[in-house]
Amino acid sequence: YELTQPLSVSVALGQTARITCGGINIESKNVYWYRQKPGQAPVLVIYRESNRPSGIPERFSGSNWGNSATLTISRAQAGDEADYYCQVWHSSTVVFGGGTKLTVL
Amino acid sequence: QVQLVASGGGVVQPGRSLRLSCAASGFTFSTYAMHWVRQAPGKGLDWMAVISYDGRNYYYPDSVKGRFTISRDNSKNTLYLQINSLRVEDTAVYYCARGAPSSDYFASAHLDFWGQGTLVAVSS
Repeated sequence: YELTQPLSVSVALGQTARITCGGINIESKNVYWYRQKPGQAPVLVIYRESNRPSGIPERFSGSNWGNSATLTISRAQAGDEADYYCQVWHSSTVVFGGGTKLTVL
Repeated sequence: QVQLVASGGGVVQPGRSLRLSCAASGFTFSTYAMHWVRQAPGKGLDWMAVISYDGRNYYYPDSVKGRFTISRDNSKNTLYLQINSLRVEDTAVYYCARGAPSSDYFASAHLDFWGQGTLVAVSS
């Protein structure tokens, strides 16, 4: 099972960024999103499509429909620049997307 | 607070073996599944293994079956990853991460806390 993410996404400061994660019938799966800043370990930002762990701002949200899940970051800030990875379970194994580099202009 | 500290990495020759450790604190280790995930330099995340809270069940991706072994010692709050027949392409930072609580199926849910990782460099 493969998850496809765009290599890069750019967003203007204060605007909305959308990062997609494509997979066959992904809407039937729970999707998780992680943020990774350079030199740091990944951090969970969204679980089960649209839930945020404590400490993650409301600006982060998720959706999942059809063959694509989306991480939406509203009012993008410079501190949101990072690599973002989606993740699902398939046949008892963890599958990560290839990652998307978010640039805030 | 949850802490996961990975260790055991270093420079290793191809064909040798290595055992990584991950010391857990700040939560009841014996009630959570645990994972290993690696990241080659400049590359994405690559999942390596998951083990159930009691150590009885585990899964690996096909790419590492037979070479990697995940285990845990709940009395020591420590997770392990044994890597045999190391290859140059195993060079990566290896992260341990917390998985599903024992109330959930172990091969499900998110990885909610990650350690800082330990670097394994395979080179002759």
